[in-house]
Amino acid sequence: NAGVTQTPKFRVLKTGQSMTLLCAQDMNHEYMYWYRQDPGMGLRLIHYSVGEGTTAKGEVPDGYNVSRLKKQNFLLGLESAAPSQTSVYFCASSSPPGQKQETQYFGPGTRLLVL
Amino acid sequence: EDQVTQSPEALRLQEGESSSLNCSYTVSGLRGLFWYRQDPGKGPEFLFTLYSAGEEKEKERLKATLTKKESFLHITAPKPEDSATYLCAVRPNDYKLSFGAGTTVTVRA
Repeated sequence: NAGVTQTPKFRVLKTGQSMTLLCAQDMNHEYMYWYRQDPGMGLRLIHYSVGEGTTAKGEVPDGYNVSRLKKQNFLLGLESAAPSQTSVYFCASSSPPGQKQETQYFGPGTRLLVL
Repeated sequence: EDQVTQSPEALRLQEGESSSLNCSYTVSGLRGLFWYRQDPGKGPEFLFTLYSAGEEKEKERLKATLTKKESFLHITAPKPEDSATYLCAVRPNDYKLSFGAGTTVTVRA
C-alpha cells in the first residue's frame, strides 16, 4: 500500500515550457487535491476533484489545469510555466467528509523550479 | 474570509522542555481542525482531527486541544525526533482545508 505517490520528484523548467505532474493513490479515495506550498504562506489549494471525471477550482487556479480520467490518478498541468509557479506541489486524497479516512493524506511532493 | 494563524513561527526547545504551539482561526463554520507534522523535504503527515470545543486527542508526547477560537498542540518532554514543522488546518466546508504557515520546532539534545 503505497498511499499517495507523485512524479516527478524534482523538475527544472524554462519560462514558457509545459509539463504535467502526476499523482496516484491506491486508497480508493473519491476526493483528490492539488496544493502548492510557498515559504511563509502555508499550503494553498489549486484544484480539486470529488470523483472520476470531475474537477473544480480552488484558491489559486490561474495558470494550471487538471484532469481526473481515472479514480486513482489526478494530473496537474502547466501549459506555459512562469517563474511565479516555482514552488513545491503536493497532491492529497481523502474520502468524502463524514466517512472513515476523511482526513487528507498527502504525497511526498514535487519541487518545481521555473527559470 | 477564513484565516488560520500559527504562533510562534519557530520554537527552539531543549530535550525534555515541554511547550505549546498555538493555532488561532476565524472560519464561517468549522467542520474540523487538523494537525499535521511535516519533515523537511516531505509531505505533511496527519496527526489529529478535532471537531468540537473541549475535545482533546493524544499521541505519544503530543496532545491537541480545541476551543471555539483556537487550538493548542502541547509537546510534553520533547525528544530530538519531534523536530519538525507542525501545520494546523481548518475545514470550513466539504472539500477545502485552509492551512496556517506552520510552526517549526527544533529540539536540541
